[in-house]
Amino acid sequence: GENVEQHPSTLSVQEGDSAVIKCTYSDSASNYFPWYKQELGKGPQLIIDIRSNVGEKKDQRIAVTLNKTAKHFSLHITETQPEDSAVYFCAASIWDKLIFGTGTRLQVFP
Amino acid sequence: EAGVVQSPRYKIIEKKQPVAFWCNPISGHNTLYWYRQNLGQGPELLIRYENEEAVDDSQLPKDRFSAERLKGVDSTLKIQPAELGDSAVYLCASRGDRSNQPQHFGDGTRLSIL
Repeated sequence: GENVEQHPSTLSVQEGDSAVIKCTYSDSASNYFPWYKQELGKGPQLIIDIRSNVGEKKDQRIAVTLNKTAKHFSLHITETQPEDSAVYFCAASIWDKLIFGTGTRLQVFP
Repeated sequence: EAGVVQSPRYKIIEKKQPVAFWCNPISGHNTLYWYRQNLGQGPELLIRYENEEAVDDSQLPKDRFSAERLKGVDSTLKIQPAELGDSAVYLCASRGDRSNQPQHFGDGTRLSIL
């Protein structure tokens, strides 16, 4: 079955710096890759997603890139702010089944 | 629009007791999911419904877990009897029917087994 690996597990950055989180997946049939942000005591909130027919997608300070050949995708957050601090999960979807990574705890220091 | 609503938010029970969780999906969303999220891990799918039909329950431990979605809207997930290892956050998600619709999650029920 599909397996998703996510790195790093923790990431600390200074406010205004960029943050990058990377994920790899195993099943080449996966065709949809969402990213979720989860704050303490809350459910995962979708922040951006990308489909396998697209290589890059951007939404303001957030961008996602996908390399289907290498089977990896990345989340890029620019100009980080303290409110970006949370746990971020990548996921890969095959046949409408989401397989999540193990999460990255991002801390943005003022 | 209102999001996915789950209740209760927290539940503490002793092992071997039964427990139930309730989910109200986003209006008009016919696809509903139950996930379990262990501490420090990503969510893992337990069951997926299309309307009232369970189309993927391969990850649901059927000896003690059950779920229903009788009218194709609200859903309940039950554990009987609960075991210590069932302590986790139970998340519900729903998705619209148009193509390329993402899953939207509720805030979950945090279950603690004593």
